[in-house]
Parts: sequence; C-alpha cells; structure tokens
Amino acid sequence: VQMTQSPSYLAASPGESVSISCKASKSISNNLAWYQEKPGKANKLLIHSGSTLQSGTPSRFSGSGSGTDFTLTIRSLESEDFAVYYCQQYNEYPPWTFGGGTKLELK
Amino acid sequence: EVQLVESGGGLVQPGRSLKLSCAASGFTFSNYYMAWVRQAPKKGLEWVATISTSGSRTYYPDSVKGRFTISRDNAKSSLYLQMNSLKSEDTATYYCARHGVTIAAISYWYFDFWGPGTMVTVSS
Repeated sequence: VQMTQSPSYLAASPGESVSISCKASKSISNNLAWYQEKPGKANKLLIHSGSTLQSGTPSRFSGSGSGTDFTLTIRSLESEDFAVYYCQQYNEYPPWTFGGGTKLELK
Repeated sequence: EVQLVESGGGLVQPGRSLKLSCAASGFTFSNYYMAWVRQAPKKGLEWVATISTSGSRTYYPDSVKGRFTISRDNAKSSLYLQMNSLKSEDTATYYCARHGVTIAAISYWYFDFWGPGTMVTVSS
C-alpha cells in the first residue's frame, strides 16, 4: 500500500491551525498512525487507529478519516509543534509503509 | 519509562558487513515484537525488519531480504540487525522500534516507541 502525504512543506505561525493530508493507494480501514519527528529526539507516536490520541499527545492534535483519505490537524500551533510528520499504514503488511513526510516550518 | 538505545553504526565500505544493536529497558522485552526502521538522508522512513516475540518469525522488505538478518536476545533485552553485502543505498539512520500493540486480543501494528537512531554510512 502506497502512502502519499501532502503538502511536503508547510509554513505556519504559532496560534494558527494546520492540516496535513495522507492518502492510501487502497482502502486501509482506519489502520493509520501519525508520528512526529524532531531533531535529536526519538520519533513520537501521536495518533493511532486514524483518530485515537496516544497517551501524552496534546489535545490540540486530532486525526480523522478512514478508507483512503486521512488528515492530521493541529490547532493553535505551539513552538514545539514545528517538526516533520509521517503517516503509516498497518492494514496490509508486510511491508508496513510510511508516507513521505510533511515538514512543518515556522513562517 | 520505555527506553531504546541503538549502537553499532559507523562508516563501512560497500560489500562489507555491520551489526547494529538495540538495548531495551522499561518494559518486558520478551512480550513485544520489535523492528528496525531506517531513514536515508533527506528521505522518509522505511521499514527494514520485524521479529516476533520468540524470534521464530522474521519479516523483511524486498530491498533488504537475503542481506539483513534481525535477531533478539530476550535474556539481555537486546535487538540486533546483521547487515551484509552493504550498498550505498543502505546509508541511513537506523531506528529500533517497538512494533505492535495488542488490545483485547487484537494486534495493531504501529510503532509505539522509538530509539534515537544510529547512523550507518556505506562508502568507499
């Protein structure tokens, strides 16, 4: 299953809301996870099962979608949210596959 | 607190071998599948290998099948990746990750904890 994220780059300011899209090449039900990557830190699981927040994920993060189209939304951006975000499908495997990533930069 | 710490990365010539290690702590290692995921420079994440709790089952993508071997030592809470016949395209940061969560007898195959990674450079 191929995973396509858009946009690849996104510039925003603190306090704004942003959305990142992840599309699967075939239906993956809600078997989708979102991760955050920050320099010098271990990757962090934010959301699984499409919309379930992992313990410790701030409530300003939300996930939605099922089938082939998914969205990660971050409301009221904080400085710590500027990072790279990846989606990953776990409906058909192996292989487990990731999207290409979205870099969220400070405007 | 779950901790995963990789080691063993470095510079290696094409065609040579390298073995990565991952030390796990903060959870019952033998109860979880484990995996390696890599990220080439300026590229996205690529799953590399997964191993079952006992080590009896292993999974690889075609890109590394036959060259890489994942293994584990539950007594030492350690995960390994033996990489043979290395190619320049294997240059990447390699992450150890806990793979899969079982809830009410259903397994969900996401990666819930990651290490900080170890860099492997394949170059002459």
